[in-house]
Amino acid sequence: GENVEQHPSTLSVQEGDSAVIKCTYSDSASNYFPWYKQELGKRPQLIIDIRSNVGEKKDQRIAVTLNKTAKHFSLHITETQPEDSAVYFCAGYITGNQFYFGTGTSLTVIP
Amino acid sequence: NAGVTQTPKFQVLKTGQSMTLQCAQDMNHNSMYWYRQDPGMGLRLIYYSASEGTTDKGEVPNGYNVSRLNKREFSLRLESAAPSQTSVYFCASSDTEAFFGQGTRLTVV
Repeated sequence: GENVEQHPSTLSVQEGDSAVIKCTYSDSASNYFPWYKQELGKRPQLIIDIRSNVGEKKDQRIAVTLNKTAKHFSLHITETQPEDSAVYFCAGYITGNQFYFGTGTSLTVIP
Repeated sequence: NAGVTQTPKFQVLKTGQSMTLQCAQDMNHNSMYWYRQDPGMGLRLIYYSASEGTTDKGEVPNGYNVSRLNKREFSLRLESAAPSQTSVYFCASSDTEAFFGQGTRLTVV
């Protein structure tokens, strides 16, 4: 089955700096890659996603890139703010199958 | 539009007790999932249902059973709770994007 690995497990950045979280996947059948943000005590919520026919997608301060050849995708957060502090999960999805989640990255933005 | 509704929010069980976690979605999604979340281990899939009438084991199914009662509802049952099942449980549904319930914090003592 699919295996999604996520790094780093923890990340601290100064407010205003950029943060990058990286994930790799193993199954080339994965065709959808969402990123979820989970604040303390809350449910995971989708923040951005990318499909396998797209290389990059941006939404204001967040962007995701996908390299299908290398089987990795990354989340980029620019101009980080304290409210970006949370746990972030990547996932790979195979149509008609299931989501395979990474183990999460705890991001702390230091004011 | 309620999305994914999960009950209860909190539960304390004694070892050996049974309980059922309920989940319902109003988005007409085909797929539904049950995850458990433990510190440092991310979201681990217990069971999923790709469509009404079908269920499949995920990564950690032992000690759990599920029922896809209809397209809207997907329940998770613990027949004989064990302390190792202390966790936060999330139900989710999707067609592509997955939407999560608010979670159930279960403690087994």
